[in-house]
Amino acid sequence: GAVVSQHPSRVICKSGTSVKIECRSLDFQATTMFWYRQFPKQSLMLMATSNEGSKATYEQGVEKDKFLINHASLTLSTLTVTSAHPEDSSFYICSARDPDAGSNQPQHFGDGTRLSIL
Amino acid sequence: RKEVEQDPGPFNVPEGATVAFNCTYSNSASQSFFWYRQDCRKEPKLLMSVYSSGNEDGRFTAQLNRASQYISLLIRDSKLSDSATYLCVVNPFGSARQLTFGSGTQLTVLP
Repeated sequence: GAVVSQHPSRVICKSGTSVKIECRSLDFQATTMFWYRQFPKQSLMLMATSNEGSKATYEQGVEKDKFLINHASLTLSTLTVTSAHPEDSSFYICSARDPDAGSNQPQHFGDGTRLSIL
Repeated sequence: RKEVEQDPGPFNVPEGATVAFNCTYSNSASQSFFWYRQDCRKEPKLLMSVYSSGNEDGRFTAQLNRASQYISLLIRDSKLSDSATYLCVVNPFGSARQLTFGSGTQLTVLP
């Protein structure tokens, strides 16, 4: 079964709307979660690292005021795309790693959120 | 140079064929390596980790060459259900740090 739950799976909304995406770790506590974005026919690109109880770390070129990340608990991180525009339309995926898993066990991914801004 | 480079394909092979994918990475200090599979419009799913000595999981064999900074995936006896995009993934820092993804190699297995 899924160990990382992401919601919603699909969002279609008008330009200028803010959209919140939730990422939950179901069977473990995740002090760190990762947010990726994938445009069609491209690889997953890390946007930011979400740290429980502290500020997120953003990758170069990702606007922190545009993509707000909140990691208020050990099982929940949220990504809010503020004032979304059509160029923000993409597939957003979160991931987390079970800290009790072996070192060769990488991250578990959520199901992804397909965001379409009209 | 990209951190992780893969041939995008597409690879179109008949059922039962053997197909190999290659991947190179730029960070010689990279710690862990994986192959993920991604179906269309879905999240990536871990296919297998790649160990220094090479490892096999059923029809899938992964190899790592640290000297050449090269990873490979071999699929034997391809099934229709193997059709997907295969992502080469490198963890440059190890453990819980972020992953770096290749752009993926698209495979279509034909009946």
